[in-house]
Amino acid sequence: DGGITQSPKYLFRKEGQNVTLSCEQNLNHDAMYWYRQDPGQGLRLIYYSQIVNDFQKGDIAEGYSVSREKKESFPLTVTSAQKNPTAFYLCASLGSGSSYNEQFFGPGTRLTVL
Amino acid sequence: AQSVSQHNHHVILSEAASLELGCNYSYGGTVNLFWYVQYPGQHLQLLLKYFSGDPLVKGIKGFEAEFIKSKFSFNLRKPSVQWSDTAEYFCAVTQGSWGKLQFGAGTQVVVTP
Repeated sequence: DGGITQSPKYLFRKEGQNVTLSCEQNLNHDAMYWYRQDPGQGLRLIYYSQIVNDFQKGDIAEGYSVSREKKESFPLTVTSAQKNPTAFYLCASLGSGSSYNEQFFGPGTRLTVL
Repeated sequence: AQSVSQHNHHVILSEAASLELGCNYSYGGTVNLFWYVQYPGQHLQLLLKYFSGDPLVKGIKGFEAEFIKSKFSFNLRKPSVQWSDTAEYFCAVTQGSWGKLQFGAGTQVVVTP
Protein backbone atom coordinates (compact mmCIF):
# COMPACT_ATOMS: atom_id res chain seq x y z
CA ASP A 1 0.00 0.00 0.00
CA GLY A 2 1.18 3.50 -0.78
CA GLY A 3 1.54 5.90 2.07
CA ILE A 4 3.68 7.71 4.58
CA THR A 5 5.35 6.02 7.51
CA GLN A 6 6.80 7.72 10.54
CA SER A 7 8.89 6.13 13.21
CA PRO A 8 8.97 5.74 16.06
CA LYS A 9 5.39 6.26 17.22
CA TYR A 10 6.53 7.38 20.66
CA LEU A 11 9.91 8.88 21.52
CA PHE A 12 11.38 9.95 24.80
CA ARG A 13 14.40 12.17 25.06
CA LYS A 14 16.42 13.69 27.84
CA GLU A 15 17.01 17.40 27.84
CA GLY A 16 20.13 18.37 25.91
CA GLN A 17 19.94 15.48 23.45
CA ASN A 18 19.30 15.68 19.75
CA VAL A 19 16.80 13.24 18.30
CA THR A 20 15.87 12.35 14.72
CA LEU A 21 12.36 11.53 13.57
CA SER A 22 11.96 9.39 10.49
CA CYS A 23 9.55 10.03 7.60
CA GLU A 24 9.34 7.83 4.52
CA GLN A 25 6.89 7.92 1.62
CA ASN A 26 6.34 5.59 -1.32
CA LEU A 27 3.85 7.83 -3.12
CA ASN A 28 6.48 9.25 -5.49
CA HIS A 29 5.65 12.76 -4.29
CA ASP A 30 8.18 15.53 -4.80
CA ALA A 31 7.21 17.84 -1.93
CA MET A 32 7.30 16.88 1.73
CA TYR A 33 6.51 18.74 4.93
CA TRP A 34 7.02 18.61 8.68
CA TYR A 35 4.40 20.00 11.06
CA ARG A 36 4.19 20.29 14.78
CA GLN A 37 0.81 19.83 16.48
CA ASP A 38 0.12 21.27 19.92
CA PRO A 39 -3.27 21.26 21.68
CA GLY A 40 -5.33 24.29 20.74
CA GLN A 41 -2.82 25.53 18.15
CA GLY A 42 -3.50 23.37 15.13
CA LEU A 43 -0.57 22.37 12.95
CA ARG A 44 2.39 24.65 12.40
CA LEU A 45 4.89 24.23 9.57
CA ILE A 46 8.47 23.51 10.61
CA TYR A 47 10.26 22.78 7.30
CA TYR A 48 9.32 21.79 3.81
CA SER A 49 11.09 20.41 0.80
CA GLN A 50 9.95 20.86 -2.78
CA ILE A 51 12.54 18.56 -4.30
CA VAL A 52 15.54 16.41 -3.40
CA ASN A 53 18.51 18.31 -1.95
CA ASP A 54 16.40 21.41 -1.34
CA PHE A 55 14.41 22.55 1.69
CA GLN A 56 13.07 25.75 3.21
CA LYS A 57 12.21 26.95 6.70
CA GLY A 58 8.61 27.09 7.71
CA ASP A 59 7.04 29.22 10.41
CA ILE A 60 8.75 27.62 13.42
CA ALA A 61 12.10 26.27 12.16
CA GLU A 62 14.25 27.37 15.10
CA GLY A 63 15.76 24.40 16.92
CA TYR A 64 15.04 21.97 14.08
CA SER A 65 17.00 20.71 11.09
CA VAL A 66 16.17 18.51 8.10
CA SER A 67 17.78 16.81 5.15
CA ARG A 68 16.42 15.58 1.82
CA GLU A 69 18.97 13.28 0.27
CA LYS A 70 16.37 10.93 -1.22
CA LYS A 71 12.95 11.56 -2.68
CA GLU A 72 11.39 9.03 -0.34
CA SER A 73 12.89 10.30 2.91
CA PHE A 74 12.67 13.56 4.87
CA PRO A 75 14.05 13.11 8.39
CA LEU A 76 13.62 15.80 11.04
CA THR A 77 16.16 16.40 13.78
CA VAL A 78 15.00 18.07 16.96
CA THR A 79 18.06 19.68 18.45
CA SER A 80 18.83 20.67 22.00
CA ALA A 81 18.28 24.28 20.91
CA GLN A 82 14.53 23.68 20.60
CA LYS A 83 13.17 25.16 23.82
CA ASN A 84 9.89 23.30 23.99
CA PRO A 85 10.19 20.12 21.92
CA THR A 86 7.48 18.02 23.56
CA ALA A 87 4.79 17.76 20.89
CA PHE A 88 3.18 15.60 18.23
CA TYR A 89 5.08 15.72 14.93
CA LEU A 90 3.41 15.06 11.58
CA CYS A 91 5.04 14.48 8.23
CA ALA A 92 3.17 15.02 4.98
CA SER A 93 3.69 14.86 1.24
CA LEU A 94 1.97 16.76 -1.56
CA GLY A 95 -0.16 14.98 -4.11
CA SER A 96 -0.46 15.60 -7.82
CA GLY A 97 -2.89 14.78 -10.60
CA SER A 98 -6.31 14.01 -9.14
CA SER A 99 -4.85 14.71 -5.70
CA TYR A 100 -3.39 18.04 -6.79
CA ASN A 101 -2.44 20.25 -3.86
CA GLU A 102 -3.73 17.70 -1.34
CA GLN A 103 -1.40 16.80 1.47
CA PHE A 104 -1.19 13.23 2.72
CA PHE A 105 -0.19 12.75 6.35
CA GLY A 106 1.68 10.10 8.24
CA PRO A 107 0.56 8.69 11.60
CA GLY A 108 2.82 11.02 13.58
CA THR A 109 5.50 10.74 16.26
CA ARG A 110 4.83 11.86 19.81
CA LEU A 111 8.01 13.25 21.33
CA THR A 112 8.32 13.72 25.06
CA VAL A 113 11.30 15.42 26.64
CA LEU A 114 11.98 14.23 30.14
CA ALA B 1 -0.57 38.52 9.13
CA GLN B 2 -2.43 35.83 7.25
CA SER B 3 -4.46 33.61 9.52
CA VAL B 4 -7.17 30.98 9.72
CA SER B 5 -9.74 31.18 12.50
CA GLN B 6 -12.02 28.42 13.69
CA HIS B 7 -14.86 29.71 15.79
CA ASN B 8 -15.27 26.89 18.27
CA HIS B 9 -12.61 24.92 20.09
CA HIS B 10 -14.99 22.32 21.49
CA VAL B 11 -18.44 21.21 20.35
CA ILE B 12 -20.59 18.61 22.06
CA LEU B 13 -23.77 17.40 20.43
CA SER B 14 -26.09 14.44 20.31
CA GLU B 15 -26.43 11.91 17.52
CA ALA B 16 -28.72 13.08 14.70
CA ALA B 17 -28.09 16.74 15.49
CA SER B 18 -26.83 19.04 12.77
CA LEU B 19 -23.25 20.25 12.82
CA GLU B 20 -21.76 23.47 11.51
CA LEU B 21 -18.17 24.46 12.12
CA GLY B 22 -17.06 27.94 11.22
CA CYS B 23 -13.83 28.85 9.45
CA ASN B 24 -12.64 32.29 8.38
CA TYR B 25 -9.39 33.26 6.72
CA SER B 26 -7.63 36.54 6.18
CA TYR B 27 -5.96 35.98 2.79
CA GLY B 28 -6.60 38.18 -0.18
CA GLY B 29 -6.81 36.88 -3.70
CA THR B 30 -7.21 33.31 -4.82
CA VAL B 31 -7.23 30.65 -2.15
CA ASN B 32 -7.43 26.88 -1.93
CA LEU B 33 -9.44 25.71 1.06
CA PHE B 34 -9.46 22.42 2.92
CA TRP B 35 -11.11 20.65 5.79
CA TYR B 36 -9.14 17.84 7.42
CA VAL B 37 -10.31 15.44 10.11
CA GLN B 38 -8.36 13.54 12.74
CA TYR B 39 -10.28 10.62 14.23
CA PRO B 40 -8.96 9.26 17.52
CA GLY B 41 -5.81 7.27 16.89
CA GLN B 42 -5.92 7.77 13.12
CA HIS B 43 -4.05 9.76 10.49
CA LEU B 44 -5.11 13.25 9.60
CA GLN B 45 -7.19 12.85 6.45
CA LEU B 46 -8.88 15.09 3.92
CA LEU B 47 -12.64 15.63 4.24
CA LEU B 48 -13.06 17.98 1.31
CA LYS B 49 -11.39 20.75 -0.64
CA TYR B 50 -12.29 23.79 -2.70
CA PHE B 51 -10.19 25.19 -5.51
CA SER B 52 -12.69 26.84 -7.84
CA GLY B 53 -16.15 26.44 -9.35
CA ASP B 54 -19.28 25.55 -7.38
CA PRO B 55 -18.83 27.11 -3.93
CA LEU B 56 -20.75 24.26 -2.32
CA VAL B 57 -18.46 21.26 -2.14
CA LYS B 58 -19.27 17.79 -0.96
CA GLY B 59 -16.80 15.55 0.80
CA ILE B 60 -16.63 12.15 2.36
CA LYS B 61 -18.98 10.79 5.04
CA GLY B 62 -21.80 13.21 4.24
CA PHE B 63 -19.87 16.41 4.95
CA GLU B 64 -20.16 19.53 2.84
CA ALA B 65 -18.72 23.02 2.98
CA GLU B 66 -19.68 26.35 1.46
CA PHE B 67 -17.17 28.91 0.26
CA ILE B 68 -18.44 32.46 0.67
CA LYS B 69 -15.84 34.74 -0.85
CA SER B 70 -17.38 37.97 0.41
CA LYS B 71 -17.24 36.69 3.97
CA PHE B 72 -13.84 34.97 3.67
CA SER B 73 -15.51 31.89 5.08
CA PHE B 74 -15.51 28.15 4.44
CA ASN B 75 -17.91 26.60 6.92
CA LEU B 76 -18.26 22.85 7.31
CA ARG B 77 -21.67 21.22 7.71
CA LYS B 78 -23.27 17.85 8.26
CA PRO B 79 -27.07 17.55 8.55
CA SER B 80 -27.10 14.60 10.95
CA VAL B 81 -24.05 13.50 12.90
CA GLN B 82 -23.19 10.06 14.13
CA TRP B 83 -21.17 8.92 17.11
CA SER B 84 -18.38 8.01 14.66
CA ASP B 85 -18.00 11.69 13.73
CA THR B 86 -16.28 12.29 17.05
CA ALA B 87 -12.96 13.76 15.98
CA GLU B 88 -10.91 16.92 15.68
CA TYR B 89 -11.59 19.02 12.60
CA PHE B 90 -9.12 21.41 11.02
CA CYS B 91 -9.69 24.10 8.45
CA ALA B 92 -6.67 24.91 6.27
CA VAL B 93 -5.79 27.41 3.56
CA THR B 94 -2.87 27.44 1.16
CA GLN B 95 -0.51 30.35 1.54
CA GLY B 96 0.50 30.14 -2.09
CA SER B 97 2.49 27.69 -4.10
CA TRP B 98 3.62 24.21 -3.18
CA GLY B 99 0.75 23.58 -0.80
CA LYS B 100 2.07 25.46 2.20
CA LEU B 101 -0.96 25.04 4.40
CA GLN B 102 -1.99 27.42 7.15
CA PHE B 103 -4.14 25.55 9.67
CA GLY B 104 -6.75 26.76 12.07
CA ALA B 105 -6.49 25.78 15.73
CA GLY B 106 -8.94 22.91 15.28
CA THR B 107 -12.35 22.07 16.71
CA GLN B 108 -12.80 19.04 18.91
CA VAL B 109 -16.23 17.54 18.20
CA VAL B 110 -17.77 15.02 20.58
CA VAL B 111 -20.96 13.26 19.54
CA THR B 112 -22.84 11.58 22.34
CA PRO B 113 -25.06 8.53 21.74
